[in-house]
Amino acid sequence: AQTVTQSQPEMSVQEAETVTLSCTYDTSESNYYLFWYKQPPSRQMILVIRQEAYKQQNATENRFSVNFQKAAKSFSLKISDSQLGDTAMYFCAFTFANFGNEKLTFGTGTRLTIIP
Amino acid sequence: ETGVTQSPTHLIKTRGQQVTLRCSSQSGHNTVSWYQQALGQGPQFIFQYYREEENGRGNFPPRFSGLQFPNYSSELNVNALELDDSALYLCASRLDSEETQYFGPGTRLLVL
Repeated sequence: AQTVTQSQPEMSVQEAETVTLSCTYDTSESNYYLFWYKQPPSRQMILVIRQEAYKQQNATENRFSVNFQKAAKSFSLKISDSQLGDTAMYFCAFTFANFGNEKLTFGTGTRLTIIP
Repeated sequence: ETGVTQSPTHLIKTRGQQVTLRCSSQSGHNTVSWYQQALGQGPQFIFQYYREEENGRGNFPPRFSGLQFPNYSSELNVNALELDDSALYLCASRLDSEETQYFGPGTRLLVL
């Protein structure tokens, strides 16, 4: 079974700084997807960014980018120019790309606080 | 907004009771999944439905059951509630053509 590990339970950073959240995963499959979701205090799980395992190019979405190292099974999230609205729980998640097996496996999360 | 809604927002039940939680997905989202998120934890997969049939289940007992309807709504039913069922319950839906799941705001269930 696949596992997702987030080793940083909590992080804090000053507004406008850059922060990197770590995620490692374990799977024997080669075709899968990785995601970062953000869960603010409002509880809504919001997609931040996704990465297809077959793509070598790292995904970017505005201030958010990932460092995907497939051989090392590492998938870190970099937030540039951090803003107060980035304060939230961040979850790394994994899913297979096979029909009927699309459940998301989540890590335990990193609580990120942006300090004014 | 994700276009996925859930009701009710909060719910309080007592041990042994039964509860039904509801989710409404976007049109065309044929896959719906339900997750349980205990306080301070990541969500855990309960089960998944595709076109009204269950096609995947996590490590949850049979007293957790579900239904999916043709109008893209779905239900999670939990019988014989236990104290440990207290959690945030999330539903998520997706299109056939993509892997991204879009989540609703969740239902917070408290079992006393």
